[in-house]
Amino acid sequence: GESVGLHLPTLSVQEGDNSIINCAYSNSASDYFIWYKQESGKGPQFIIDIRSNMDKRQGQRVTVLLNKTVKHLSLQIAATQPGDSAVYFCAESSYNTDKLIFGTGTRLQVFP
Amino acid sequence: DSGVTQTPKHLITATGQRVTLRCSPRSGDLSVYWYQQSLDQGLQFLIQYYNGEERAKGNILERFSAQQFPDLHSELNLSSLELGDSALYFCASSVGDGGGRGGETQYFGPGTRLLVL
Repeated sequence: GESVGLHLPTLSVQEGDNSIINCAYSNSASDYFIWYKQESGKGPQFIIDIRSNMDKRQGQRVTVLLNKTVKHLSLQIAATQPGDSAVYFCAESSYNTDKLIFGTGTRLQVFP
Repeated sequence: DSGVTQTPKHLITATGQRVTLRCSPRSGDLSVYWYQQSLDQGLQFLIQYYNGEERAKGNILERFSAQQFPDLHSELNLSSLELGDSALYFCASSVGDGGGRGGETQYFGPGTRLLVL
């Protein structure tokens, strides 16, 4: 069936280091990808998105990379801060639907 | 703050009961989505409404139903509740002008935590 990101790993980084969170997707028809941050007890918060006609997009301290050949998405966070600690979800949608299919998420822990 | 509001924040009820969750989308957004987040299933799409009409359906149980009203707020009705329905229920909204062709950023509300005892 459809799947995005099949496991929930934990990434531990030191404050100030760069973080890279990875996501694999299985639907080759997906053409829109989005990253969300979810802090404990809160709803998913939009971070950055990318369409399939791009392979890189940058925001403030974040960069999303898309490799359609291997169906891989990554989120890079520069100079990681304690406030970045959260669970990060990738999600995808395809051309004929607005619904998002979410991965299981990655927990990011930032240590001082 | 995403601009999407949900009430109530917490809900505790018993098996067999019925509850209604409410969502107000961001100002100007016409599409509303409902998602369920449980520990073993992650975030799962339930249903989407656009300007009062159902646009897409996901893994929504027959015991669950939703609607979107003329003022664009939406309600998710859960009936004959079972223990396994305990989860976080999120509402999201988007502009909705993509015609269902995807690619719209969805903004999520704070969620309603449902506990069925």
